[in-house]
Amino acid sequence: AQSVTQLDSQVPVFEEAPVELRCNYSSSVSVYLFWYVQYPNQGLQLLLKYLSGSTLVKGINGFEAEFNKSQTSFHLRKPSVHISDTAEYFCAVRRTSGTYKYIFGTGTRLKVLA
Amino acid sequence: DTGVSQDPRHKITKRGQNVTFRCDPISEHNRLYWYRQTLGQGPEFLTYFQNEAQLEKSRLLSDRFSAERPKGSFSTLEIQRTEQGDSAMYLCASSLAASGRAPLDEQFFGPGTRLTVL
Repeated sequence: AQSVTQLDSQVPVFEEAPVELRCNYSSSVSVYLFWYVQYPNQGLQLLLKYLSGSTLVKGINGFEAEFNKSQTSFHLRKPSVHISDTAEYFCAVRRTSGTYKYIFGTGTRLKVLA
Repeated sequence: DTGVSQDPRHKITKRGQNVTFRCDPISEHNRLYWYRQTLGQGPEFLTYFQNEAQLEKSRLLSDRFSAERPKGSFSTLEIQRTEQGDSAMYLCASSLAASGRAPLDEQFFGPGTRLTVL
């Protein structure tokens, strides 16, 4: 079975400061990895995904993430946040074969302060 | 392409009542998924369809829950004899099966239906 751990339930950060949202996963089989963002009263929007190849993945809105197989991590980073980045961020995994369901973490609420 | 739509956006019901939610996927997408999201949690997988066939169901999907996708287009999720524990956001997602054009069938999510059971 797969599982995803997002240790930080809330991360406050000042505007224009860098931020890192942590994600660790557990799986005995190979997986794809994703980061989604959810704004209030909206569905989830894909920020970025890791399928294979380069371990540094760039996504939308200036976000990037690095896949670290040895540490089973996929942390999300942004060098300079904006007020509009305030939202809930979810890390997710999906097995590369056998199923199409995503397994999500519990989410990290990013609050950008002025 | 208007994205995945869900109806209603909000539903308040009394315990014991039946409710039905509808999901309209992106038009060319052949896979459709239902997830449930409770407060403070990430989405949890419930079930998915490929065309009209329901191919996987979670153990979370008790016998009070039933999902259909009769013509391989829209889908409905029905909850019978609702309980307060059913209060949650129900999310629908759709994807296009992987092909040479799209190596991964990325899931696109709708805005969700928020269910409150009193």
